[in-house]
Amino acid sequence: EIVMTQSPATLSVSPGERATLSCRASQRVNSNFAWYQQKPGQAPRLLIHSASTRATGVPARFSGSGSGTEFTLTISSLQSEDFAVYYCQQYNDWPLTFGPGTKVDIK
Amino acid sequence: QVQLVESGGGVVQPGGSLRLSCAASGFTFSAFGMHWVRQAPGKGLEWVTFIPVDGSEKYYVESVKGRFTISRDNSRTTLYLQMNSLRPEDTAAYYCAKDTHEGRLFDLWGQGILVTVSS
Repeated sequence: EIVMTQSPATLSVSPGERATLSCRASQRVNSNFAWYQQKPGQAPRLLIHSASTRATGVPARFSGSGSGTEFTLTISSLQSEDFAVYYCQQYNDWPLTFGPGTKVDIK
Repeated sequence: QVQLVESGGGVVQPGGSLRLSCAASGFTFSAFGMHWVRQAPGKGLEWVTFIPVDGSEKYYVESVKGRFTISRDNSRTTLYLQMNSLRPEDTAAYYCAKDTHEGRLFDLWGQGILVTVSS
């Protein structure tokens, strides 16, 4: 099983600031990698797939980068609606696995 | 309207069974693989199982193998999850999720249904 780890566990950011979230895979996953956003009481939402491709309707302030085992999600200028938990996921191999999440909260 | 709506959750005793359903609408259900993903209260996401369009090669997370069975009825545009021999650690919100053309990721989610395993 490919184990995903995320850092930091919690990120406190002021509105308008830049946020950088990291995810590491225990094995190479090539670019078979995605990011999801989940707000309280809601289902997750796909943000990024193929490591760097924004899903339909996702604002351009969200960007993904990385390949192999190290990946980054950058939110260029945090808006109020961006405060949420972010999960990474690998889909290179079964079982599909998620990271434990990074909570982005208001500083 | 493109949506997934789960039903069938509730409280069940350890060792009991439950069947979840997920009604799909607004897209060509028969053209996409489908997944179940769960989330224990206050915890992260865990992928549970996948079924392809023809229901052939299914995949399960190790912890549910032999206890859970995923199935689908393309004529009814409905996904199912039969859960047997339930354990307290199966307590979670269960989401059905639509696969993408790329495969093995989730671009449409239901609202989730809570399953509580407790005596």
